[in-house]
Amino acid sequence: EDQVTQSPEALRLQEGESSSLNCSYTVSGLRGLFWYRQDPGKGPEFLFTLYSAGEEKEKERLKATLTKKESFLHITAPKPEDSATYLCAVQAYSGAGSYQLTFGKGTKLSVIP
Amino acid sequence: ETGVTQTPRHLVMGMTNKKSLKCEQHLGHNAMYWYKQSAKKPLELMFVYNFKEQTENNSVPSRFSPECPNSSHLFLHLHTLQPEDSALYLCASSQDEGQGFWTQHFGDGTRLSIL
Repeated sequence: EDQVTQSPEALRLQEGESSSLNCSYTVSGLRGLFWYRQDPGKGPEFLFTLYSAGEEKEKERLKATLTKKESFLHITAPKPEDSATYLCAVQAYSGAGSYQLTFGKGTKLSVIP
Repeated sequence: ETGVTQTPRHLVMGMTNKKSLKCEQHLGHNAMYWYKQSAKKPLELMFVYNFKEQTENNSVPSRFSPECPNSSHLFLHLHTLQPEDSALYLCASSQDEGQGFWTQHFGDGTRLSIL
């Protein structure tokens, strides 16, 4: 059974204090790993897709990396507006020609001014 | 309008009511999805429609009934719900090229409360 585990569950950072969020996964036939950001009362907003180990992608203060067993979302010098829940999802073959996303529970990030 | 739009944003209903959730996507995608998001739990995939055909039904109770009249619209018909069905219901869409390389884009959800 595909599994996605995100840690920590919650993270409080001072503004400017860099850190990393972790997403570990066990899945057969990984097609892609996705990071989303979700603000309260909103749907998940797409951030990155990573397809193969060693791949990295950056967007503003965020950088996502991927190994064969986990992904990290590095946040450099965060600002209060980076506060949100960050969701990780893996895409794998689910049989009968279809692919599904399996989500983790998310990491709630709070950045304190 | 752009993106994925869900209506209503909030819904309160009794256990014996019948209501419907609506989703519309303006992205030209060919696949649409319903997810359930409950507190402290991961997003749970409920239904998948690809080219208007239902391709996935992840053991969802029959009190939830999906309908996809075309590739831009998706409905979730609700009847005789239970208190544990209270959750955020999210709709998503993607362009499925058939090789498993796609990105799902989400609406802002309908917050459903069952009295």
